[in-house]
Amino acid sequence: DAGVIQSPRHEVTEMGQEVTLRCKPISGHDYLFWYRQTMMRGLELLIYFNNNVPIDDSGMPEDRFSAKMPNASFSTLKIQPSEPRDSAVYFCASSSASGPQGLKGYTFGSGTRLTVV
Amino acid sequence: QKEVEQDPGPLSVPEGAIVSLNCTYSNSAFQYFMWYRQYSRKGPELLMYTYSSGNKEDGRFTAQVDKSSKYISLFIRDSQPSDSATYLCAMSAPLNTGFQKLVFGTGTRLLVSP
Repeated sequence: DAGVIQSPRHEVTEMGQEVTLRCKPISGHDYLFWYRQTMMRGLELLIYFNNNVPIDDSGMPEDRFSAKMPNASFSTLKIQPSEPRDSAVYFCASSSASGPQGLKGYTFGSGTRLTVV
Repeated sequence: QKEVEQDPGPLSVPEGAIVSLNCTYSNSAFQYFMWYRQYSRKGPELLMYTYSSGNKEDGRFTAQVDKSSKYISLFIRDSQPSDSATYLCAMSAPLNTGFQKLVFGTGTRLLVSP
């Protein structure tokens, strides 16, 4: 299995522009997560999906952020308009189950490093 | 106050040293404790998984959980330069339904010099 695949690996954009991050979870995994990592705050859960349905988006910082999962093999995280404080590494992760087994099977992608200038 | 506290380091040690990495937490409902290793420009990968209190050993790695003190540790014996990475602790509380969300520490950067 190729693991969780994220694109692009790096994104540099100007303030005010729209940014779209993409994720392909591991085939067969029913849960998909979007995280943001910064030096100050560490890894923060933004939103997670179960069977393509958003379950908890309480971590999404504001209305500028939106996430979709149109099918089991693809998800996007969109920021519009982007701001310099959105600069961070964004990770996608997937898991096959809830409960303890889901925690053991949690797999992260390599992340997208976003810089907003 | 953060739910999970972790010293960011960096922690620099010579090759062969014993490394101790620690986290404290405030939520007494946490039952599942994990350590992730994150190499530069990579995503975190699960290193150790422990349920409730006690010790777990896997090769050169030992995870300890002290729930009475709300304190967890990861020990690395005979540290190698390839162990140089950021180590993140993560914790979760059981739920009757739904996915158990992970709460992460900010990570400790470890540097092992040859």
